Amino acid sequence: GESVGLHLPTLSVQEGDNSIINCAYSNSASDYFIWYKQESGKGPQFIIDIRSNMDKRQGQRVTVLLNKTVKHLSLQIAATQPGDSAVYFCAENPRGGYKLIFGSGTRLLVRP
Amino acid sequence: EAQVTQNPRYLITVTGKKLTVTCSQNMNHEYMSWYRQDPGLGLRQIYYSMNVEVTDKGDVPEGYKVSRKEKRNFPLILESPSPNQTSLYFCASSLNSPETQYFGPGTRLLVL
Repeated sequence: GESVGLHLPTLSVQEGDNSIINCAYSNSASDYFIWYKQESGKGPQFIIDIRSNMDKRQGQRVTVLLNKTVKHLSLQIAATQPGDSAVYFCAENPRGGYKLIFGSGTRLLVRP
Repeated sequence: EAQVTQNPRYLITVTGKKLTVTCSQNMNHEYMSWYRQDPGLGLRQIYYSMNVEVTDKGDVPEGYKVSRKEKRNFPLILESPSPNQTSLYFCASSLNSPETQYFGPGTRLLVL
């Protein structure tokens, strides 16, 4: 499959453990944030999103936390599974803007 | 099945030979966008379109053209490809804003 990054930060976790992937965003005017998962050979896939009027949002096995004070976003994956192995991207949408600004990504490796 | 399709998936060409990568979505989305993905640089937006006949430059538009004559299609045109346009290209669409974009499977382009 296509490689998405030769020198991505990598997080290695044991199957069943919780994973935390971090992202620092750049624009204090951003009011919408989103996490994408990209498996090898595929396009990015939506995981979860959050607006700036929230600090936390939960989905199925995933939680996104937003700390606007330090412009930090995190994605928590509970009970990590082998199928969670992928590259994860955060993205931000500046208020009133017409595009998403993507981070460079983090590779998650799940050890059996 | 709701999806974004791209063609071709893989393309090898030579410098200066015009090419078009097609993108089509069947979700009646108004917003469509093209990205390129390069190692270490993440996803960078090339062009986007808010609706039919409405297009605008993203962060890296040089060397590319787009058109949006109908809602479902958003082709990417390289009039005179150069080796620095060797990349992995993704088309994406969303309902009416850059939020929650759905991505196509990608087109791997090699310009010799």
